Amino acid sequence: QVQLQESGGGVVQPGGSLRLSCSASGFTFSSFGMHWVRQAPGKGLEWVAFIVYDGSKKYYADSVKGRVTISRDNSKNTLFLQMRSLSSEDTAVYYCARFITVLSNAPGHWGQGTLVTVSS
Amino acid sequence: QSALTQPRSVSGSPGQSVTISCTGASSDVGGFKSVAWYQQHPGKAPELLIYDVNKRPSGVPDRFSGSKSGSTATLTISGLQTEDEAHYFCCSCAATYTLFGGGTKLTVL
Repeated sequence: QVQLQESGGGVVQPGGSLRLSCSASGFTFSSFGMHWVRQAPGKGLEWVAFIVYDGSKKYYADSVKGRVTISRDNSKNTLFLQMRSLSSEDTAVYYCARFITVLSNAPGHWGQGTLVTVSS
Repeated sequence: QSALTQPRSVSGSPGQSVTISCTGASSDVGGFKSVAWYQQHPGKAPELLIYDVNKRPSGVPDRFSGSKSGSTATLTISGLQTEDEAHYFCCSCAATYTLFGGGTKLTVL
């Protein structure tokens, strides 16, 4: 079955950087686009970025554009999110999610999330 | 990219039907077939209920259904059960960006 496991979260100081990883298994990783979605404590879902199956196209939310880079390593079945210039507004649980099908980019299968806390 | 508009809360009794609306614009909900709905219980990851407006992933009960008219999408939950009490989020999954609604808290009375 599809399994996604995020890692790399933790406490980081304002202005700092962090790299999140998402390890995938149970499906052909190189065939599916992937999302990062975040959720601030007590708030709703906020899309961060998605990347198509081969990494050739990447799209970002306006709120993170220029500070965040999504990437993937299909040889290692791993998705990444590099975050820079972090502020308290970036404090959230970060989820990776797989496109529901190869043709539909709705986030279908989700990991359990990793918490990023930006605090001094 | 403004969040899609959902009611903050809805409620219903067991066995009843409830609907949750999701209003956007012609540039998102109204312009694409890629509308999805998610259920989220406290402390858990979201789970996909509906995608492409009205398709259900395997394992999702047919009590959950989706529709769209113009720039408003609707999630209908029939035969309400106590375990349906959760937050529900809509999503417009366009070709170059994804937009979520603010979320609706469903209370089963």
